[in-house]
Amino acid sequence: DAGITQSPRHKVTETGTPVTLRCHQTENHRYMYWYRQDPGHGLRLIHYSYGVKDTDKGEVSDGYSVSRSKTEDFLLTLESATSSQTSVYFCAIRPHEGLHQETQYFGPGTRLLVL
Amino acid sequence: SQQGEEDPQALSIQEGENATMNCSYKTSINNLQWYRQNSGRGLVHLILIRSNEREKHSGRLRVTLDTSKKSSSLLITASRAADTASYFCATEPDSWGKLQFGAGTQVVVTP
Repeated sequence: DAGITQSPRHKVTETGTPVTLRCHQTENHRYMYWYRQDPGHGLRLIHYSYGVKDTDKGEVSDGYSVSRSKTEDFLLTLESATSSQTSVYFCAIRPHEGLHQETQYFGPGTRLLVL
Repeated sequence: SQQGEEDPQALSIQEGENATMNCSYKTSINNLQWYRQNSGRGLVHLILIRSNEREKHSGRLRVTLDTSKKSSSLLITASRAADTASYFCATEPDSWGKLQFGAGTQVVVTP
């Protein structure tokens, strides 16, 4: 395992409530990513980070924000959850140097249901 | 927008047979990667091929890349029941890791 954990692993919430998902790594990698996976769409990039306090938007960032105050933690926040944000969320990390610097290592995912 | 498109969407084969799946993409790439996902789990990296490479091998995996056709193929030889999974291609347009995934090919290998 690449030392990535996600919490919570499952969450049910109601429309309009804020939700924060946490990605924690023990590898000290600079690059971290949040993706969502929906049937028929593969994975789509939400936000990414190249280091502490260095984040940027991905392909489907509307309705999401992120924060990275420590190298090991990358938080994804749904400010006001909507049913369209029901999905499986994956965090990934990537070494910034070395033999496998282009490989991404994925966490186990968080299943979010917005009612 | 989805960069990669896998074909077929689903594939059912018997143990020992070869499985081939294809990926087409739209824009220029730095590299193309293949990932496997077992049901309910995270993705696992299988193999990466750079834009200046045409073929790459890793164990029972063979990947080809044709940049003129913007397409790649993944061949799994002598398949096993444990190869049952979804397989995704992902393109990286630059060197910053912003992967763009296809919708995947679901492979079922029956004993």
